[in-house]
Amino acid sequence: EIVLTQSPGTLSLSPGERATLSCRASQSVSSSYLAWYQQKPGQAPRLLIYGASSRATGIPDRFSGSGSGTDFTLTISRLEPEDFAVYYCQQYGSSRYTFGQGTKLEIK
Amino acid sequence: QVQLVQSGAEVKKPGSSVKVSCKASGGTFSSYTISWVRQAPGQGLEWMGRIIPILGIANYAQKFQGRVTITADKSTSTAYMELSSLRSEDTAVYYCAASIAAAGEDYWGQGTLVTVSS
Repeated sequence: EIVLTQSPGTLSLSPGERATLSCRASQSVSSSYLAWYQQKPGQAPRLLIYGASSRATGIPDRFSGSGSGTDFTLTISRLEPEDFAVYYCQQYGSSRYTFGQGTKLEIK
Repeated sequence: QVQLVQSGAEVKKPGSSVKVSCKASGGTFSSYTISWVRQAPGQGLEWMGRIIPILGIANYAQKFQGRVTITADKSTSTAYMELSSLRSEDTAVYYCAASIAAAGEDYWGQGTLVTVSS
């Protein structure tokens, strides 16, 4: 199975700042089948990015994804108060999907 | 717009089994890949397995192989996840999710809390 390692574990930033979250895979992710999810307490995850760089429906353009192979990045250009949450990457390029362990984005 | 409604919370004894259902409406059930994901209290997301209803093929995470069974009933647009030999570490919220990866479609159920306690 592909192991996804996210960094940092916790990111402390202020509204208006830029956030950069990393996701590294133990082997190449097929066809860039890499997604990013946002999860807030008590809620189901919400899809932000699929195919490494495509925004899901209704996702603001301050969210962007990039990368290929084994290294992927989620960037939030200017943080809004509602963006503080936990973010997960997921690969779905193999028959056994996997999630990263998550990055908590907290208010500084 | 697909809606997924899961069965209610369960309390189970160690060693027993649990079966959680996930009923879909508002979409073409067979077109989606149905995944099951769990989240233990205060922990991250853990992918358990998936099924492609139109093919009837299921794949499971290595960790759960032999202990989890995912099925789908196309006639009722309902997916099921059964987990056996329950232990306390299986206490978690279990989610179903329906997706069409290429189109970025992704819908989640409300989650089902399964508590394993003697």
